[in-house]
Amino acid sequence: QSALTQPRSVSGSPGQSVTISCTGASSDVGGYNYVSWYQQHPGRAPKLMIYDVTKRPSGVPDRFSGSKSGNTASLTISGLLAEDEADYYCCSYAGGYTGVFGGGTKLTVL
Amino acid sequence: QVQLQESGPGLVKPSETLSLTCSVSGGSISTYYWSWIRQPPGKGLEWIGYIYYSGSTNYNSSLKSRVTISVDTSKNQFSLKLSSVTAADTAVYYCARGQLKLSWYFDLWGRGTLVTVSS
Repeated sequence: QSALTQPRSVSGSPGQSVTISCTGASSDVGGYNYVSWYQQHPGRAPKLMIYDVTKRPSGVPDRFSGSKSGNTASLTISGLLAEDEADYYCCSYAGGYTGVFGGGTKLTVL
Repeated sequence: QVQLQESGPGLVKPSETLSLTCSVSGGSISTYYWSWIRQPPGKGLEWIGYIYYSGSTNYNSSLKSRVTISVDTSKNQFSLKLSSVTAADTAVYYCARGQLKLSWYFDLWGRGTLVTVSS
């Protein structure tokens, strides 16, 4: 399983929106609606932000939203806050009861 | 609420076997899938494998020949063994609860434990 492709870094100013992409293949992202997104602050464990492409767990602000088109999934964060600065990872089901993560994207809030 | 806690040696010699345990507290280990995920220093996440409380397992194909995940429902714990380790296996190892039936995501994570492979 090859890692999903994410941009190494993105940035935005407070209040703006940013979108992080996650590109895979028809065997993973494109083949299933089982993409999840995780936020990880330095030295902390990852935290689930989005699952099943678009669903938000209880407690996650609605500023976070997910979508998918073809083999690319996206995480959009609107109304950026300083606390959103973190690393973000996508993850997809890859068939055969296996999964694959993306390489991670560092979000900088300017 | 349910919490996960990894435990095990923080230093393992090359060619030896890495062994970690994840203790689940505040809830039963039954009914869920349980996974190990690792993160080399400064790098991304890598899914290692999962075990269902019944004992069925599946592993990342790149690690399959060296990985064993087991469960002890009486102790509410599951464990990871990774054999023939090298420096490339140095990482923070996380245990996580997986929602892997008709979905694929990890909704609960331990704090992680750093394992260094070095002589």
